[in-house]
Amino acid sequence: QQPVQSPQAVILREGEDAVINCSSSKALYSVHWYRQKHGEAPVFLMILLKGGEQKGHEKISASFNEKKQQSSLYLTASQLSYSGTYFCGTEWGSGNTGKLIFGQGTTLQVKP
Amino acid sequence: EPEVTQTPSHQVTQMGQEVILRCVPISNHLYFYWYRQILGQKVEFLVSFYNNEISEKSEIFDDQFSVERPDGSNFTLKIRSTKLEDSAMYFCASSGGGHNEQFFGPGTRLTVL
Repeated sequence: QQPVQSPQAVILREGEDAVINCSSSKALYSVHWYRQKHGEAPVFLMILLKGGEQKGHEKISASFNEKKQQSSLYLTASQLSYSGTYFCGTEWGSGNTGKLIFGQGTTLQVKP
Repeated sequence: EPEVTQTPSHQVTQMGQEVILRCVPISNHLYFYWYRQILGQKVEFLVSFYNNEISEKSEIFDDQFSVERPDGSNFTLKIRSTKLEDSAMYFCASSGGGHNEQFFGPGTRLTVL
């Protein structure tokens, strides 16, 4: 069962903020966030681990609520380069295989 | 900056033919993965590989699929007898640890005719 992302699509003006959510029906060990531009590979943005550890780009922030099995990605003061599809990838167990189950994606379009 | 590379960038094949997709992971990484993405859809996990063996595989990864690390640098995905529904973008990824960030290669677009 895949995590559910919301919203499905967002349109912003440059400088506006957005929040993308990722919800899981199963207990999460970690959440990984990626951005994918059309025709390109997913690019790593951030990883949030059970217990509070986070690693990622300085300009990206995210939260991980273990109890609610949810993560949110915060995009502030959006730039044109933020446009793309955002995927959350979830790890559901502490087993060290690295298997990620991805959500269906959230398409973000930033307009001038 | 080190990156994952994949070859070829595009592979066209006839149904029933075997294909081998190649990947060179980041050199000090120990965990390797294959994912696929059908056009316009989400990224789907196929297999993870560590210490020269498969550590986990999805239900998509049936007997037609196999992975190998033939030498110290390459990581390959073989599809023995391709089907039309195997047409997708195949991404290789690598990470330094099982719970670490995964870095994706540029992908191989596989078209099965």
